[in-house]
Amino acid sequence: GENVEQHPSTLSVQEGDSAVIKCTYSDSASNYFPWYKQELGKRPQLIIDIRSNVGEKKDQRIAVTLNKTAKHFSLHITETQPEDSAVYFCAASPSNSGNEKLTFGTGTRLTIIP
Amino acid sequence: EAGVAQSPRYKIIEKRQSVAFWCNPISGHATLYWYQQILGQGPKLLIQFQNNGVVDDSQLPKDRFSAERLKGVDSTLKIQPAKLEDSAVYLCASSLEGHSGNTIYFGEGSWLTVV
Repeated sequence: GENVEQHPSTLSVQEGDSAVIKCTYSDSASNYFPWYKQELGKRPQLIIDIRSNVGEKKDQRIAVTLNKTAKHFSLHITETQPEDSAVYFCAASPSNSGNEKLTFGTGTRLTIIP
Repeated sequence: EAGVAQSPRYKIIEKRQSVAFWCNPISGHATLYWYQQILGQGPKLLIQFQNNGVVDDSQLPKDRFSAERLKGVDSTLKIQPAKLEDSAVYLCASSLEGHSGNTIYFGEGSWLTVV
C-alpha cells in the first residue's frame, strides 16, 4: 500500500517569513495530492490540492509543487501570519473510480512567531 | 452547504465497554470514510463505503470494530469491546464519486477516551 512520509514534524518561522513542508510517497499509482490544515480540536480542512497532470499550483499565499519522477511534493506558505499556526497534513491517493483513499503523512506542527 | 455531521462529539467509556458513532455525510456524496486519528498522528483509514458497499476495510480491526451504511447515506461505527489504545478521534468524511470525487470533506470528529 501507499506510504507517505512528511518532514519536518515541527516548524517555527517568524511572521512574514516563508514555510516549506515536504512529503514523499511510495505508490506510483497515486495521482492526487491534497494538503489539509487542522487547528487544535477542529476538523482537517482542505487548503490546496494538486493532481499529477500539473507540476505546480498556487492560491494566494499558498503553493504546492509536485515532482512525480522523484515522488515528492511540497507545500509553500509565503508571508506567514499568526493564523497560519496549525498542524498541516499531506496526503496521497489514487483516483480510480470509487477508490479515492487518502493516505496521510504524520503531520507538521507549524508555529508562526509574532 | 451543510457539512459532514457526527455524533456524539465526546465519549468517555471504560475498557471492555461498547460505543457507537454516527455519521451523516454531505448530501449526494456516495463515498463515506471512517478515519481514526490518534493524538499527534495523521488520520488512518478504517473503512471506505461506496454507497452501501464496502470498498476497503483492510485496516479495520474486525475482531472489535464494525461499521455499516445500510441505505447508502448515514453510517455507524461500533467498537466492542473497547481497549485503551482505541482512544482517538474518529473522523467521518465523504466525497462525491466521479471526476470531481477526490475532494474529501471531514466532519468535526467524535473524541473517544477509553479509561
